[in-house]
Amino acid sequence: NAGVTQTPKFRVLKTGQSMTLLCAQDMNHEYMYWYRQDPGMGLRLIHYSVGEGTTAKGEVPDGYNVSRLKKQNFLLGLESAAPSQTSVYFCASRGSYEQYFGPGTRLTVT
Amino acid sequence: KNEVEQSPQNLTAQEGEFITINCSYSVGISALHWLQQHPGGGIVSLFMLSSGKKKHGRLIATINIQEKHSSLHITASHPRDSAVYICAGHSYSGAGSYQLTFGKGTKLSVIP
Repeated sequence: NAGVTQTPKFRVLKTGQSMTLLCAQDMNHEYMYWYRQDPGMGLRLIHYSVGEGTTAKGEVPDGYNVSRLKKQNFLLGLESAAPSQTSVYFCASRGSYEQYFGPGTRLTVT
Repeated sequence: KNEVEQSPQNLTAQEGEFITINCSYSVGISALHWLQQHPGGGIVSLFMLSSGKKKHGRLIATINIQEKHSSLHITASHPRDSAVYICAGHSYSGAGSYQLTFGKGTKLSVIP
């Protein structure tokens, strides 16, 4: 099993550009999460999903959209990137209680 | 709003030392997760506990529900334990789901 994978690993965007981050899990988990990690701050929840076709807002959802068309995939979109969205993005899926994290995507917006 | 506070922020230890990292949390949090983030960035779950104590190898996690406090101990520390340790509070958000509120992490460096 690959666990949780994220694509891409690194990306540099110019302000105003758009992109989609892909998270895939092969553990048949219902719950999936997108977090961002910034220096000096804890991980913060952007959006989450409790199952295929459902999404919900987390703590810091502004500027992001998500979709969960297939159970194994959770996509995070940035419609118009801003420098404040420079961060490391982590996806996670949840088993019974434990969360399994992807390797992260380092995004820089210039 | 749920809150999780960790201490210390940074910790340097000599190899072999006993290490303790502390975490306090607010009302509304029903369980605590301890996570390890390696220098390369990957995050792995170490423990989830809602009461008592759990042990895995040289790692021990305890929680005191009345005091809303949890500790992570590392016995006989080794340079490979160098990482950021994160505690996260687990609270229910309805619809059968739960969310994690994360502490800022404790950066541990173990010197040979």
